[in-house]
Amino acid sequence: EAQVTQNPRYLITVTGKKLTVTCSQNMNHEYMSWYRQDPGLGLRQIYYSMNVEVTDKGDVPEGYKVSRKEKRNFPLILESPSPNQTSLYFCASTTGLGHEQYFGPGTRLTVT
Amino acid sequence: AQKITQTQPGMFVQEKEAVTLDCTYDTSDQSYGLFWYKQPSSGEMIFLIYQGSYDEQNATEGRYSLNFQKARKSANLVISASQLGDSAMYFCAMREGFGLGRGADGLTFGKGTHLIIQP
Repeated sequence: EAQVTQNPRYLITVTGKKLTVTCSQNMNHEYMSWYRQDPGLGLRQIYYSMNVEVTDKGDVPEGYKVSRKEKRNFPLILESPSPNQTSLYFCASTTGLGHEQYFGPGTRLTVT
Repeated sequence: AQKITQTQPGMFVQEKEAVTLDCTYDTSDQSYGLFWYKQPSSGEMIFLIYQGSYDEQNATEGRYSLNFQKARKSANLVISASQLGDSAMYFCAMREGFGLGRGADGLTFGKGTHLIIQP
């Protein structure tokens, strides 16, 4: 089954404690992205990757890092989380022609 | 300026009625794609329908159709014969440079419409 998986699905953490949200896809897609969703703002792109070792900033990259060492994986790293990073995070992948972005199930992060 | 505008924050509709969710967009690209996603209370993003800027016919998928008016830059979602299970948030989104290998550009989303279907 074609899918994008994310872990963990729910996370409560404290300010400053480094965390990683993993993302994996089994469709051999080149393109992967991270979005965050906040009430009243819709989804906004954080980072994207066009292929292994190729990443770039989206609209709201501050406070986040990513890496793309393997085609299937695209982890999101918060080196020093802050309360304003409390949000619902989605990983997505697509082919170059991009008829559809396949979204992961989402990770609900709370930073206290 | 916002690239995707959804002017209806919330809508209440009677079951079995048709629903139109509004979406207008702004782009200078000639090639772009328009998408609609459904997000139920469980949180996942469910792809509903897409329309390419060069598609001459309006897209349809089951009970969903996209009323694409290119000159007016609108891409309204129409749900026929609404059901209780249609209650959800609905997001309109656009990818500029659609079909030109710019998949990484990502989707620009509107702020969504919260649709509630009443029995």
